[in-house]
Amino acid sequence: ETGVTQSPTHLIKTRGQQVTLRCSSQSGHNTVSWYQQALGQGPQFIFQYYREEENGRGNFPPRFSGLQFPNYSSELNVNALELDDSALYLCASSFTQGANEKLFFGSGTQLSVL
Amino acid sequence: DAKTTQPTSMDCAEGRAANLPCNHSTISGNEYVYWYRQIHSQGPQYIIHGLKNNETNEMASLIITEDRKSSTLILPHATLRDTAVYYCIVRVASGGSYIPTFGRGTSLIVHP
Repeated sequence: ETGVTQSPTHLIKTRGQQVTLRCSSQSGHNTVSWYQQALGQGPQFIFQYYREEENGRGNFPPRFSGLQFPNYSSELNVNALELDDSALYLCASSFTQGANEKLFFGSGTQLSVL
Repeated sequence: DAKTTQPTSMDCAEGRAANLPCNHSTISGNEYVYWYRQIHSQGPQYIIHGLKNNETNEMASLIITEDRKSSTLILPHATLRDTAVYYCIVRVASGGSYIPTFGRGTSLIVHP
């Protein structure tokens, strides 16, 4: 039990639609990261927020956007969904202190785009 | 753009030690090596991490070479429930930040 919760657990959308995924971080954590995991692949970094500011971004287009709120909950928004966006989306929270960054993952949201 | 290299798959007999290697030859001096595991479509679970010294906890041991270019995760008495994908990760510099970056991991199968 990591204390990180994601909602919804499963979601089905159609191409072109927009989706918002939510994550509630572990209490006291100041950093939230989002990853996309396609079937059979390792998690791919989307972006990270540190104290409500975007702190790093992976190789994802601008239609992937996010927010981190003062209570350290977070959202991932994806606009104009494409079939290739079908994946498991993982949220990870951490208390970043120098080089020490232990990640606590939620169980993920399985997104299917039809 | 993972900075670690792991074998794609390994297998181990139940009750025996599982030794999972990882190459991280470009790791910078103050970056930690982390190990996580993922059981089918769940979120990755933290196992252990280390900087220079060998580490042990209730789940596993981590052996880091003196030059820090590689490490080995040891599950001393593997059980069927240890069947999972194991990821060795380091943080990668990206636009002024350091990002935990996953590769494809090692699929460990523990058989009876």
